[in-house]
Amino acid sequence: DSGVTQTPKHLITATGQRVTLRCSPRSGDLSVYWYQQSLDQGLQFLIQYYNGEERAKGNILERFSAQQFPDLHSELNLSSLELGDSALYFCASSVGIGGFQETQYFGPGTRLLVL
Amino acid sequence: DAKTTQPTSMDCAEGRAANLPCNHSTISGNEYVYWYRQIHSQGPQYIIHGLKNNETNEMASLIITEDRKSSTLILPHATLRDTAVYYCIVRETNTGNQFYFGTGTSLTVIP
Repeated sequence: DSGVTQTPKHLITATGQRVTLRCSPRSGDLSVYWYQQSLDQGLQFLIQYYNGEERAKGNILERFSAQQFPDLHSELNLSSLELGDSALYFCASSVGIGGFQETQYFGPGTRLLVL
Repeated sequence: DAKTTQPTSMDCAEGRAANLPCNHSTISGNEYVYWYRQIHSQGPQYIIHGLKNNETNEMASLIITEDRKSSTLILPHATLRDTAVYYCIVRETNTGNQFYFGTGTSLTVIP
């Protein structure tokens, strides 16, 4: 158990819909990262938040957005869903802003299926 | 980020040491080598990381060559539960803090 929690574990929805994935980092961790893992793309970094502020952006679509709240939990919002958005979504956390030795700890993931 | 090259798949007999190689020939001086594994579709699990010295923890050992262009992850006594995809990651924080996961090595531990 990494200490990172994600809800829900599974999500089934229809194309065009909007969903919200939630992540609670490890106690004391200030950074949250979101990754997407689809069958044909592998693990792709989406976005990082540090202490409530966006820190780094990866391959995140404009239909996707995220935020980190004062209690440090984070939400990833996916809108206008398409079939290709079906994937595993992982959240990770780390203690600081991301130093050279900073390890990221991953949650169990949310499996999203868009029908 | 420096690119890493890993074999696509490997087998290892249960109880034997599993040696997983990784090439990172373009690594620069401030880049650490990280190893994670992913069992089935679970979240990636941190194993070990290092800069230039060999490292050991309760899970594994990491051997980094003197020129730092390659490394080997060693699982000393592989068990069936070690069957997973193992990712070697070289990350540079100058470009952000993301990990770039490649395709990894699919390790199968055989009874």
